[in-house]
Amino acid sequence: NAGVMQNPRHLVRRRGQEARLRCSPMKGHSHVYWYRQLPEEGLKFMVYLQKENIIDESGMPKERFSAEFPKEGPSILRIQQVVRGDSAAYFCASSTQSSGNTIYFGEGSWLTVV
Amino acid sequence: KNEVEQSPQNLTAQEGEFITINCSYSVGISALHWLQQHPGGGIVSLFMLSSGKKKHGRLIATINIQEKHSSLHITASHPRDSAVYICAVSRGSGGGADGLTFGKGTHLIIQP
Repeated sequence: NAGVMQNPRHLVRRRGQEARLRCSPMKGHSHVYWYRQLPEEGLKFMVYLQKENIIDESGMPKERFSAEFPKEGPSILRIQQVVRGDSAAYFCASSTQSSGNTIYFGEGSWLTVV
Repeated sequence: KNEVEQSPQNLTAQEGEFITINCSYSVGISALHWLQQHPGGGIVSLFMLSSGKKKHGRLIATINIQEKHSSLHITASHPRDSAVYICAVSRGSGGGADGLTFGKGTHLIIQP
């Protein structure tokens, strides 16, 4: 887990509000991945980003969810108009390249929608 | 049927026992990952395998590509090994973290 920083660790939002989750990858890592872990379910891939590019967003819900990884600053996972079903743990991971390298995960951001 | 199946789902053992967790998958993969997650906590990558066997301390991971099966072994288990162990497979071209498919995890409890 060393180096991948996620914040906030815990976030409570009312239905209809927006949630923004941030991920700073390990130093030198240009590949960022977001995963979601729903209660009592396994992890599911959401999106893979490199700096300023979305490489694979096949796991992202079609509406309300978006992700970015700007040239400067952390990667952001944005959820608009949250619903109770969005309550989950959101994990970010980073690596130096997409192939053949160890994946480093953050501590996760726990979103609760009330 | 899930593409990645783990067994057992839950395992309780006594300190010192030899632990085996199994993972079977049904798709072609470029690599298999074993991850550890403590309750309410983050995820640690233990191993990435594309063939053969790897060892790190008391942990050993093996993979049989032909049989589409991997095992994670813990020797001389200790209560601090209590965690959820997750198997994940990569279908990306280089075995990386994009497009990982995860098993549901094995909840391991080691009693003193």
